[in-house]
Amino acid sequence: GENVEQHPSTLSVQEGDSAVIKCTYSDSASNYFPWYKQELGKRPQLIIDIRSNVGEKKDQRIAVTLNKTAKHFSLHITETQPEDSAVYFCAAQELFGNEKLTFGTGTRLTIIP
Amino acid sequence: GAVVSQHPSWVICKSGTSVKIECRSLDFQATTMFWYRQFPKQSLMLMATSNEGSKATYEQGVEKDKFLINHASLTLSTLTVTSAHPEDSSFYICSAKLGTSGFTGELFFGEGSRLTVL
Repeated sequence: GENVEQHPSTLSVQEGDSAVIKCTYSDSASNYFPWYKQELGKRPQLIIDIRSNVGEKKDQRIAVTLNKTAKHFSLHITETQPEDSAVYFCAAQELFGNEKLTFGTGTRLTIIP
Repeated sequence: GAVVSQHPSWVICKSGTSVKIECRSLDFQATTMFWYRQFPKQSLMLMATSNEGSKATYEQGVEKDKFLINHASLTLSTLTVTSAHPEDSSFYICSAKLGTSGFTGELFFGEGSRLTVL
């Protein structure tokens, strides 16, 4: 089955700086890679996603890059703000296959004012 | 966007009792729902895939008789933790897939249910 590794487990950055979270996956059949943000005690919220036919996707301050050959993808947050503080999970899924979503281990991001 | 509601949001029960958690898709039909378990400061672990009108598919290591899943309608899936014990205490979250064709991939999550077994 799919195995998703995520690094770092914790990350602290000064407000205004950039944050980068990296994930690797094992199953070459995975073709959909969402990123979720989860605040304490709340539900995960999709913040951005990317399909395997695209190498990069950007939405305002958030961007995701994908390297299919190396089986890794990254989340980039620029101009970080205190409200970006949360736990971020990457995930991998085989769309139109078994469709199980496998989550990474999570990164606790803290933005220092 | 699509809304998934989960109830109860938190429950405390005595060891040996059973607890039912409901997951409803409020404004769309969900033929497939997923149940996850999340321990403190850990990731979401898929427990089972719930398909409307058929038996749930459980992940390896998840006890079918312990965690009963029923998906009786296109908008409701239930998870029953039977004979709960303290080690079953956890955060349980459901998610639903929007539609059966043209699936974009996005899953919509419920608010989660925090179960504490005394």
